[in-house]
Amino acid sequence: NAGVTQTPKFQVLKTGQSMTLQCAQDMNHEYMSWYRQDPGMGLRLIHYSVGAGITDQGEVPNGYNVSRSTTEDFPLRLLSAAPSQTSVYFCASRLAGGRHEQFFGPGTRLTVL
Amino acid sequence: SQKIEQNSEALNIQEGKTATLTCNYTNYSPAYLQWYRQDPGRGPVFLLLIRENEKEKRKERLKVTFDTTLKQSLFHITASQPADSATYLCAGDTDKLIFGTGTRLQVFP
Repeated sequence: NAGVTQTPKFQVLKTGQSMTLQCAQDMNHEYMSWYRQDPGMGLRLIHYSVGAGITDQGEVPNGYNVSRSTTEDFPLRLLSAAPSQTSVYFCASRLAGGRHEQFFGPGTRLTVL
Repeated sequence: SQKIEQNSEALNIQEGKTATLTCNYTNYSPAYLQWYRQDPGRGPVFLLLIRENEKEKRKERLKVTFDTTLKQSLFHITASQPADSATYLCAGDTDKLIFGTGTRLQVFP
């Protein structure tokens, strides 16, 4: 099992550019989520999905879109990048329901100039 | 809003001592609390989970408690080693995981 994979590992964008961060998991997990991590702010939930075709907003959803067309993939789209979106982004997955550990990807370090 | 709070100051302890990290939650009642370890430049890794009706859970040198009256979880590492140096994250579990900011632990020889 590859677990949770994310691409790219690093990305530099200019303000206003768009891009998609890719996330995939091969553990057949229903639940997937995206977090951003900033110094002193911890991990903040952006969007999450409890299954294919279902997505919901987390704490900081503005400026980001997601879709879940398959169980395996959960891409995060930045429509018009802003310097405030400079951060490290983590994708995670787990089985649905509580009491299950969450598996994280290695992260994408994004810089918006 | 639902909040998980951890001491943001680093905890420095000597090798062999017990490290104790604190996690407090406000404005909700998570059914579970989870603890993760994060090393620099890497994603968090799951360590332990405790249910609200469990007072204590152990795994090797790790122990976690859950006090619903105080709205607090304590995470202990006994006989700490320099390899335990990392950031430890607490997360409250309802329909989604909400994380605290983490506490950085430094174990020195």
